[in-house]
Amino acid sequence: SQTIHQWPATLVQPVGSPLSLECTVEGTSNPNLYWYRQAAGRGLQLLFYSVGIGQISSEVPQNLSASRPQDRQFILSSKKLLLSDSGFYLCAWTRGSGANVLTFGAGSRLTVL
Amino acid sequence: AQKITQTQPGMFVQEKEAVTLDCTYDTSDQSYGLFWYKQPSSGEMIFLIYQGSYDEQNATEGRYSLNFQKARKSANLVISASQLGDSAMYFCAMREGGAGGTSYGKLTFGQGTILTVHP
Repeated sequence: SQTIHQWPATLVQPVGSPLSLECTVEGTSNPNLYWYRQAAGRGLQLLFYSVGIGQISSEVPQNLSASRPQDRQFILSSKKLLLSDSGFYLCAWTRGSGANVLTFGAGSRLTVL
Repeated sequence: AQKITQTQPGMFVQEKEAVTLDCTYDTSDQSYGLFWYKQPSSGEMIFLIYQGSYDEQNATEGRYSLNFQKARKSANLVISASQLGDSAMYFCAMREGGAGGTSYGKLTFGQGTILTVHP
């Protein structure tokens, strides 16, 4: 069966510090990968998605970037965090075809102080 | 305009009763998909149910059913026989366009409804 892992689960970082959130998927190959962000008490907003190694599409302009160095690894980064980057970040995956369900990881809660 | 509207910030239901969570959507696409997710206090997003725009029957998954009214652009979630463990935030989401490639995972979410189940 397929599983998705995200880490760290929680992170408190000062303004201006770098960020790296990691996500890996097991039990499948060539998944489509996604990063969503959820601000406090709000719905989810798609940030980035990737259909393959090195292929990244951004949905909204922001202070963050994403990378996919391996087939089942997706990384969310920032060189200098802003207060507004605080939120709950969720990695998710789907198969390239034949499935309708977007499956999420457990999430990473980021607080920027 | 909001693509997904959930007008109920909070709902309360008695244990063992049924509850309906409202969702309306806005799209000009003929092909789209509608989803409901549950988010407990732990934060994880749990998939509940899916309805495709061309599906003629309302989707059902155990105690969950989706009341799909295409002409009214509504996709309400019905939870029958509520349980204490159903207390959570519930999100309605939509995927626009055909179900292929990256569009599978590009969902637009509503603001959510907090459901509280009382014993």
